[in-house]
Amino acid sequence: DAGVIQSPRHEVTEMGQEVTLRCKPISGHNSLFWYRQTMMRGLELLIYFNNNVPIDDSGMPEDRFSAKMPNASFSTLKIQPSEPRDSAVYFCASSPTQTGWSSPLHFGNGTRLTVT
Amino acid sequence: DQQVKQNSPSLSVQEGRISILNCDYTNSMFDYFLWYKKYPAEGPTFLISISSIKDKNEDGRFTVFLNKSAKHLSLHIVPSQPGDSAVYFCAASSGGGADGLTFGKGTHLIIQP
Repeated sequence: DAGVIQSPRHEVTEMGQEVTLRCKPISGHNSLFWYRQTMMRGLELLIYFNNNVPIDDSGMPEDRFSAKMPNASFSTLKIQPSEPRDSAVYFCASSPTQTGWSSPLHFGNGTRLTVT
Repeated sequence: DQQVKQNSPSLSVQEGRISILNCDYTNSMFDYFLWYKKYPAEGPTFLISISSIKDKNEDGRFTVFLNKSAKHLSLHIVPSQPGDSAVYFCAASSGGGADGLTFGKGTHLIIQP
C-alpha cells in the first residue's frame, strides 16, 4: 500500500532559481496539506486542499510561494524565485476525511530544500 | 505565537523506564490532540490521539493524558525501548480537523541502553 510520495527527496539550488516540489497523495484521500519544517518554527501549515480546491493558503509565507492541485493524484508547491531562507524540509500530507478524525494525516518523507 | 508548545527540546531516558513527554496549548478551541513520531529522513507518523471529551487514551505501551483546565497533555511510554528514540510532535486541531493540524516544535527522545 503506497503512502504519500514526494519528489525529489533532496533539492539543492541557487538563490533566484525556481523550485518545484511534487506530491502524490494516497489514493482515495480527498484532503492534501503542505507543511514546512524548520528549526526555528517547527512544522508549519502552508496550504491545504480539499477535493483539489485550495481552502486556506494563509500559511504561505510570500507571493513567491504557490501551490496547485490539478487533479486528485498530484500537487505541486513552487517557489519562484527561491531564497536562502526558504531552506527547510517540505512535507506533503493527505487525509481521507474533511471533517472528523477517523484517520489522521499521513505524511510523505519530505523534500529537503537547500538554497545557496 | 506558538499555540502548541513543547518546552523540552530533548529528553533522555534509560531503557525500561517511563518516558513522559509534555505539551501545552493556548487555543481553547482545540478539541482533538494527537502525537506523531518522526525518525530521521522520514515523515511524521501518527502514534496516538485523544478527543477533548476524554482525559485518557491508552494504546499498548503508549498513554496520552489530557488536562483541559490546565491546557496540558502528556504522552507516557512505558517501558521505554531503544526503538522509541525519535522526535515526538504534539499536534492539535479544532472543528474536526478540516483545517489541518497545529504542531509543536517537537521533543527529541533518546532512550539509553
